[in-house]
Amino acid sequence: GNSVTQMEGPVTLSEEAFLTINCTYTATGYPSLFWYVQYPGEGLQLLLKATKADDKGSNKGFEATYRKETTSFHLEKGSVQVSDSAVYFCALYTGANSKLTFGKGITLSVRP
Amino acid sequence: NAGVMQNPRHLVRRRGQEARLRCSPMKGHSHVYWYRQLPEEGLKFMVYLQKENIIDESGMPKERFSAEFPKEGPSILRIQQVVRGDSAAYFCASSTSDWGSPLHFGNGTRLTVT
Repeated sequence: GNSVTQMEGPVTLSEEAFLTINCTYTATGYPSLFWYVQYPGEGLQLLLKATKADDKGSNKGFEATYRKETTSFHLEKGSVQVSDSAVYFCALYTGANSKLTFGKGITLSVRP
Repeated sequence: NAGVMQNPRHLVRRRGQEARLRCSPMKGHSHVYWYRQLPEEGLKFMVYLQKENIIDESGMPKERFSAEFPKEGPSILRIQQVVRGDSAAYFCASSTSDWGSPLHFGNGTRLTVT
């Protein structure tokens, strides 16, 4: 079956630090990969996505590259801001009549 | 262009009562998903529906929980005879029928069972 594994959290960084959040997956077929972000008290918002191997998704300074050889989709940002404090979820989707499978999420806190 | 609308935002029920959670998908979206979020456990899939059809209910508890997405009106997640363990945030998401289209989430209903 499909599964997503995220690194253990929480993560606390100082403003302007470099961020990496690891995500690996197991899937049948050729999944699309997503990162979602959840701000306090809100639902999830799509942050970025990649639909095939070697694609790079990017948005708001965040990037993730679809690595088929390592089955990974790590999220990176060169310089985090306090406003990036949120919970980040990695997810995959394998096709029609399929559900989105999420990792457990990781809480990021950025200190001023 | 309204997003996914969930109501109520907060719901308090006593043990044994029924909880009804509503979700109106984004305009033009025909697929609805329900997820439950518990602290420290992330998002757990519950059910996936299209209009008048349940496509995948593999994440639904076998008893007390049901979901529908009628031809007209919102999708409803119904929990009968609630217990304290049902306390959680319940999120609805919708998408188009296009392969790989992202899910758009509502802000959730936070159910508290006292």
